[in-house]
Amino acid sequence: DAKTTQPPSMDCAEGRAANLPCNHSTISGNEYVYWYRQIHSQGPQYIIHGLKNNETNEMASLIITEDRKSSTLILPHATLRDTAVYYCIVTNTGRRALTFGSGTRLQVQP
Amino acid sequence: DTAVSQTPKYLVTQMGNDKSIKCEQNLGHDTMYWYKQDSKKFLKIMFSYNNKELIINETVPNRFSPKSPDKAHLNLHINSLELGDSAVYFCASSQGPRGANTGELFFGEGSRLTVL
Repeated sequence: DAKTTQPPSMDCAEGRAANLPCNHSTISGNEYVYWYRQIHSQGPQYIIHGLKNNETNEMASLIITEDRKSSTLILPHATLRDTAVYYCIVTNTGRRALTFGSGTRLQVQP
Repeated sequence: DTAVSQTPKYLVTQMGNDKSIKCEQNLGHDTMYWYKQDSKKFLKIMFSYNNKELIINETVPNRFSPKSPDKAHLNLHINSLELGDSAVYFCASSQGPRGANTGELFFGEGSRLTVL
């Protein structure tokens, strides 16, 4: 799996967009970018994933740069319930489990 | 209905004891996982089963023995518990052994094990 780099922590004001960056400069052609989050004391929760096109679902948007070396998870209107650790994971289709790094701790402020 | 359920949620025990954590999923998935999250909050894969067959066995002491009686259940038995086994253990499931390919692992709420 390609190595990912995320800032250890970020703050965001409630109601504003939260933009969480992830660098994955060694990503290879068949590797996907996945985002999960872990709200305190709960199990990780899948958010979104993509290969090279931008993706959007009811939870978030994923923007992947054209060279695929970095991506940004966007929570369009952050709420206090979005306070969590967000994990960016890059993995290929042959992997059989996800490897979690240290993630970004997002604190949404009232 | 809880999709992936683990029992017990909390477990406090003495060193040297043997304990089990149970996991059940009602999603019809064929692959299940055990992850360990230590005090530093790193999540590490321990085991994965696909249709009752072990497909991932990371470097885990052989005191840890997973058992999958059917594809909806994956239990974790730990012998001779040590202080370093204290952690939160998460069970997860996915459709297909390449859960990472399908994009979604469903996690349980975790079982917090404290070894005294």
